[in-house]
Amino acid sequence: GAVVSQHPSRVICKSGTSVKIECRSLDFQATTMFWYRQFPKKSLMLMATSNEGSKATYEQGVEKDKFLINHASLTLSTLTVTSAHPEDSSFYICSATHGNQPQHFGDGTRLSIL
Amino acid sequence: LAKTTQPISMDSYEGQEVNITCSHNNIATNDYITWYQQFPSQGPRFIIQGYKTKVTNEVASLFIPADRKSSTLSLPRVSLSDTAVYYCLVGDMDSSYKLIFGSGTRLLVRP
Repeated sequence: GAVVSQHPSRVICKSGTSVKIECRSLDFQATTMFWYRQFPKKSLMLMATSNEGSKATYEQGVEKDKFLINHASLTLSTLTVTSAHPEDSSFYICSATHGNQPQHFGDGTRLSIL
Repeated sequence: LAKTTQPISMDSYEGQEVNITCSHNNIATNDYITWYQQFPSQGPRFIIQGYKTKVTNEVASLFIPADRKSSTLSLPRVSLSDTAVYYCLVGDMDSSYKLIFGSGTRLLVRP
């Protein structure tokens, strides 16, 4: 149980384009989803916390206009990297939780901006 | 949020028991301790979670002393496939359980 699916697993695109990443909880309703980014050989950095039906809460230093998060249903949250540039290239990971259950993570999206 | 401190890296051999200790001196009353495993280019995978004393599941044991200022993840008889980064996290499960990842412990299992 507790499966979180993330799509796409890898995306390569040109600088200036916007990229949408989807995070789905497949077998449970996720009241809260989280978005992280991870650089090579580094730990996960929390970007934002997303609750269904409300605005996301961003961590300090994360631009909310750059990283748009939508949590429209209890099983889907999306992260859109707007006008992506090479410095946005990273590994983006989502997680989902329900109530007081542990977070369960997706398998990440490798974003490469040329 | 309580900060955690773990060894940066550990080496072991196949078949050995590995114990990874994590310090969390500022753990709060409502905080739980959770351990995750991460392989390269994958999301972290839940291993075990506990509040106090000892918790055991099919893959690991978690030992938490009475003061809860530290915890030890015990992996019995590791194999090469246990080579990964292990993260210790503490968080309040009653408040959306926000987690802040530390540097983790990079475990290398040798043949």
